[in-house]
Amino acid sequence: SYELTQPPSVSVSPGQTARIACSGDAMPKKFAYWYQQKSGQAPVLVIYEDKKRPSEIPERFSGSTSGTVATLTISGAQVEDEADYYCFLTDSSGRGVFGGGTKLTV
Amino acid sequence: QVQMVESGGGVVQPGRSLRLSCVASRFTFSHHAMHWVRQAPGKGLEWVAVISYLGSDKQYADSVRGRFTISRDNSKNTVYLQMNSLRVEDTAVYYCAKDYYDSSVYLRAWGQGTLVTVSS
Repeated sequence: SYELTQPPSVSVSPGQTARIACSGDAMPKKFAYWYQQKSGQAPVLVIYEDKKRPSEIPERFSGSTSGTVATLTISGAQVEDEADYYCFLTDSSGRGVFGGGTKLTV
Repeated sequence: QVQMVESGGGVVQPGRSLRLSCVASRFTFSHHAMHWVRQAPGKGLEWVAVISYLGSDKQYADSVRGRFTISRDNSKNTVYLQMNSLRVEDTAVYYCAKDYYDSSVYLRAWGQGTLVTVSS
């Protein structure tokens, strides 16, 4: 089964750009998805199909991929963006896989 | 706004069973695959299981295969997770989530979760 690797933590100052990487051999073959989970809350989808953003998500959130790495970028991070972020994909059988999660501190 | 409400969580002894339910509303339930995802205290998200829109295709994580069974009743807009032979390591908040598609692709919306505690 696939494995996805994320850094445990990323820290930026307000207004700076935060980048969270997710690496895995499946990345060139599969779409990556990103979820934000604030403390005590359910996760929320912030990026789908590598780089698309749901309409309710602020424009400062973007996604990209290069080779085996997918990256979530938050341009001009805000204090309210402080959360855990998880990458996700499904394998060819439909089984889901999450990365270990990255704690973003702003 | 899509809504999923999980129920059925609680405290259970190791080796016992529990059934979780998730009632969905404000979308056409029978058109979407449904997932269960769990999160142990202080840990990350773990995908558990998925069922396709008609219930014909089911997939499980290795950690629960053979012990957990996912099912759905489209007439009741409800997805279930039957959990047997529970272990201490199954302790987690269990979320149900709606897939964007009729088969397993990605989780578009989530419920608020129900806590399962396995302890003697």
